[in-house]
Amino acid sequence: DIVLTQSPALAVSLEQRATISCKTSQNVDNYGISYMHWYQQKPGQQPKLLIYEGSNLASGIPARFSGSGSGTDFTLTIDPVEADDIATYYCQQSKDYPRTFGGGTKLELK
Amino acid sequence: EVQLQESGPGLVKPSQSLSLTCSVTGYSITSNYWGWIRKFPGNKMEWMGYISYSGSTSYNPSLKSRISITRDTSKNQFFLQLNSVTTEDTATYYCANGGYYFDYWGQGVMVTVSS
Repeated sequence: DIVLTQSPALAVSLEQRATISCKTSQNVDNYGISYMHWYQQKPGQQPKLLIYEGSNLASGIPARFSGSGSGTDFTLTIDPVEADDIATYYCQQSKDYPRTFGGGTKLELK
Repeated sequence: EVQLQESGPGLVKPSQSLSLTCSVTGYSITSNYWGWIRKFPGNKMEWMGYISYSGSTSYNPSLKSRISITRDTSKNQFFLQLNSVTTEDTATYYCANGGYYFDYWGQGVMVTVSS
């Protein structure tokens, strides 16, 4: 299985930039597409798709969110961070079966 | 608007089967892929498997032969059955739309395995 590694937590100030990283045990690119996706989850809610295929913004997601990276190193950036963004963020790969998720990064306020 | 809703018992005894239903509105399950994902206490997320628009299935090998995903197209529902459950199957179970990434999710149902 492809293992996705995220830092458990990140502390950030409002109005600042947050960069959340995800490293994979294998390359998740294929034919120019990065099979890396990002989700936000708040307590008591279902996950929400933010970014698909590395850098594509999902429908209805504000442009403060962006995704970048390739190969085995990926980043979710939130700029600027708003209070509503305090949540846990997960990366997920679909290059191979089984689909796998990172352990999640909890975004906290400084 | 696409909506998914899980239903099923919140408590299952060890060694028994866990059975959940996902009811879909706003989208036909004869299109796209429809799957199950669970989140364990402590936040680990696991993709369990999916059923495709044609009825074919793909499962996480970690679940070996314990899992089955089926569907009823007349009711626009799909189902999860997980056999021989243990306390390690205690989790929140989500149904979701998608084969590569998951753009619509149900609210989730918490299932506890306990005697």
